[in-house]
Amino acid sequence: SQQGEEDPQALSIQEGENATMNCSYKTSINNLQWYRQNSGRGLVHLILIRSNEREKHSGRLRVTLDTSKKSSSLLITASRAADTASYFCATEGGSWGKLQFGAGTQVVVTP
Amino acid sequence: DAGVIQSPRHEVTEMGQEVTLRCKPISGHDYLFWYRQTMMRGLELLIYFNNNVPIDDSGMPEDRFSAKMPNASFSTLKIQPSEPRDSAVYFCASTLGQGSTEAFFGQGTRLTVV
Repeated sequence: SQQGEEDPQALSIQEGENATMNCSYKTSINNLQWYRQNSGRGLVHLILIRSNEREKHSGRLRVTLDTSKKSSSLLITASRAADTASYFCATEGGSWGKLQFGAGTQVVVTP
Repeated sequence: DAGVIQSPRHEVTEMGQEVTLRCKPISGHDYLFWYRQTMMRGLELLIYFNNNVPIDDSGMPEDRFSAKMPNASFSTLKIQPSEPRDSAVYFCASTLGQGSTEAFFGQGTRLTVV
């Protein structure tokens, strides 16, 4: 069964706009990760935030984590057409090393 | 390192046939994961190994599915007999372990059972 649930399921924006997607999970975690998947390809790791962290940045990415609400958000600033992809959150908790993924948010960035 | 390598990339087989998917993890990675991705069910964790030992196979759908990791550089996922509902993209991923849980994914095997 999936641990995380992303919201929204799909997002369509124009280049230059910001894209925000959310992830909710059910059980306690050690860390939460975000991945990107381009059509027909494997997932690529973007960023990891540990359970004792509240916010993290990497380039145009900003991730927040609220463990009291069991939720995380991923913000992509100044989006580009190349950001078109599906984005997944993954939680690691319980059994160490076990990564479980949400259903993903499909993002389309139009020029 | 070439990354996680999966073979074949595509597999079309008839219902009832045995299917074997293969994975070579990144050298030095202690954890190996098998996932299945479908439109309906998303990305499901089937089984994962730590140091070649299966840790959690609770995601394996049925006895028709089996996975092995005979050594640190090779794993197989076998479906016998295959059924049309097994059609999906199967991903293998590995993580370093030792405090690092960033997963590196292979390109996947697209399985079609007709």
